[in-house]
Amino acid sequence: SAVISQKPSRDICQRGTSLTIQCQVDSQVTMMFWYRQQPGQSLTLIATANQGSEATYESGFVIDKFPISRPNLTFSTLTVSNMSPEDSSIYLCSVRRDADTQYFGPGTRLTVL
Amino acid sequence: GEDVEQSLFLSVREGDSSVINCTYTDSSSTYLYWYKQEPGAGLQLLTYIFSNMDMKQDQRLTVLLNKKDKHLSLRIADTQTGDSAIYFCAETDNAGNMLTFGGGTRLMVKP
Repeated sequence: SAVISQKPSRDICQRGTSLTIQCQVDSQVTMMFWYRQQPGQSLTLIATANQGSEATYESGFVIDKFPISRPNLTFSTLTVSNMSPEDSSIYLCSVRRDADTQYFGPGTRLTVL
Repeated sequence: GEDVEQSLFLSVREGDSSVINCTYTDSSSTYLYWYKQEPGAGLQLLTYIFSNMDMKQDQRLTVLLNKKDKHLSLRIADTQTGDSAIYFCAETDNAGNMLTFGGGTRLMVKP
């Protein structure tokens, strides 16, 4: 398995501000992903964080709103920019460890007032 | 595009078996997964099955895959109150990367 930590675990933010979420993995991984889970909903992939290149965003998500950094093979950040109440969600990072397994971090619970 | 569907809710009595069902549309999926999410927690990988298998057993968990019907199920034997959670099935894209999740099935175990 993989040990994945996220910071912060939760936050309450004012609209219009930005929050950067950190994801740290206990060993090097090639593939890291960021997901969003809106209240009472399933998970939706935001983007794939590639080391050494720009993130690849899914339909409906843009870099200006969700900039991502991947400075090395064990760390990534997701920023939620210019937040609105609709951004209130759980944000989860995940890693692909082997060819057949993806593990998730504990999530960051964001509330935007 | 890919679509994964699950029933919303399942209630069982402690000690009974639970069967959670999932249907998917992408026949090129390489792996199919079951994740468990307890209240306020992240996702825990429970088990997964390779698409060329039809069954996988892991202690109290049995995964059945009917590739012809694109139907996946998770059976939990001797269900305990600690099994109460939301269970998500998910499939990968044909590169084995992106996960598409079902809507989740909330399992309630009554003592």
